[in-house]
Amino acid sequence: GQNIDQPTEMTATEGAIVQINCTYQTSGFNGLFWYQQHAGEAPTFLSYNVLDGLEEKGRFSSFLSRSKGYSYLLLKELQMKDSASYLCAVSNSNYQLIWGAGTKLIIKP
Amino acid sequence: GAVVSQHPSRVICKSGTSVKIECRSLDFQATTMFWYRQFPKQSLMLMATSNEGSKATYEQGVEKDKFLINHASLTLSTLTVTSAHPEDSSFYICSARGEQSPDYEQYFGPGTRLTVT
Repeated sequence: GQNIDQPTEMTATEGAIVQINCTYQTSGFNGLFWYQQHAGEAPTFLSYNVLDGLEEKGRFSSFLSRSKGYSYLLLKELQMKDSASYLCAVSNSNYQLIWGAGTKLIIKP
Repeated sequence: GAVVSQHPSRVICKSGTSVKIECRSLDFQATTMFWYRQFPKQSLMLMATSNEGSKATYEQGVEKDKFLINHASLTLSTLTVTSAHPEDSSFYICSARGEQSPDYEQYFGPGTRLTVT
């Protein structure tokens, strides 16, 4: 089967750094996405990795290791507005997105 | 660019009635549209994939006679929930991909919150 695993919930402090991990097993691989989703809203695109390595975009970075079936999203200089769910999704051989259950990130002052 | 809208954003209907949700690509031609459902505190579940002018492909376990999908034009797809029941209450999200889009790209609509009473 296909599955995406990520922690259910994480807590971090404003101004700190947090790393959200994602492991995956899918039928084929055409890239891995990270999305941010605030409660009651649709997901918004954060990053896309298709090659191994680190992609940096402002305060957010995403890392991929295809051989390990592993990715992480790194959030730096956390702000209260970063409190949201973070969804890991993999595009499989049919270009369908397989979604993780999401990690709820709670930011404390 | 690549804006997708959904209408309505929220809808409340009575059990047994049908509800239609529209998904529109505003500034590009959507050759493929996806319909997702998301229950509280759960991830997105793909319901069906539709290509313009052809029948939708439904995921296993999704009743195609209950969730009618029409993708009659390159800018509009509709999802009709027929004979809705309270267990159909959910957050429905569409996404779209254009002819010029990379195969991996999907642009999401803002979602529709359906409550069946």
